[in-house]
Amino acid sequence: EPEVTQTPSHQVTQMGQEVILRCVPISNHLYFYWYRQILGQKVEFLVSFYNNEISEKSEIFDDQFSVERPDGSNFTLKIRSTKLEDSAMYFCASRQGYGYTFGSGTRLTVV
Amino acid sequence: EDQVTQSPEALRLQEGESSSLNCSYTVSGLRGLFWYRQDPGKGPEFLFTLYSAGEEKEKERLKATLTKKESFLHITAPKPEDSATYLCAVGGSNDYKLSFGAGTTVTVRA
Repeated sequence: EPEVTQTPSHQVTQMGQEVILRCVPISNHLYFYWYRQILGQKVEFLVSFYNNEISEKSEIFDDQFSVERPDGSNFTLKIRSTKLEDSAMYFCASRQGYGYTFGSGTRLTVV
Repeated sequence: EDQVTQSPEALRLQEGESSSLNCSYTVSGLRGLFWYRQDPGKGPEFLFTLYSAGEEKEKERLKATLTKKESFLHITAPKPEDSATYLCAVGGSNDYKLSFGAGTTVTVRA
């Protein structure tokens, strides 16, 4: 069964450093998303991406965040200057029609 | 704003003891109600999508139903491997972003 692949599975970074989280969506999907889940809290929407541009973003997705689809297969989330409160699981998802598939996530720990 | 409330927060069951999880929602323009299973440290694993009131879907020991205001996930004769957090989410009219509930953590004891 097709999968959404995320790398790395776990990243530890110093506060203020930049991080890039990577995702390979399912190949025929056209819609891409990033969600995050702070430990013990709900899964929260960050951003949706379609046709090489952001289609919607939440209030969490401020100027410190950016997304990119640098080639035909990868989808990345960049956090420019990480804060302690950015520590969370970050999930990539892709969708085609009503099929909505999540990756296994990247656990980001900011120290 | 779309809202999803799940109850109970936690459910402890004996193996074989059937039960139901509730998901109540408010959404403008429901495009789909989703049920996911999440194991610790993992991503949500798709179970079902329901689109309209009266719809039901089944998969092994799980059955999901939908009304205009809530959805139920019925677990029939659960086994220990059904232990997980079950997440409910709604896709509204805005680009199909999902709004999640906080989940119900189910523990099934042998």
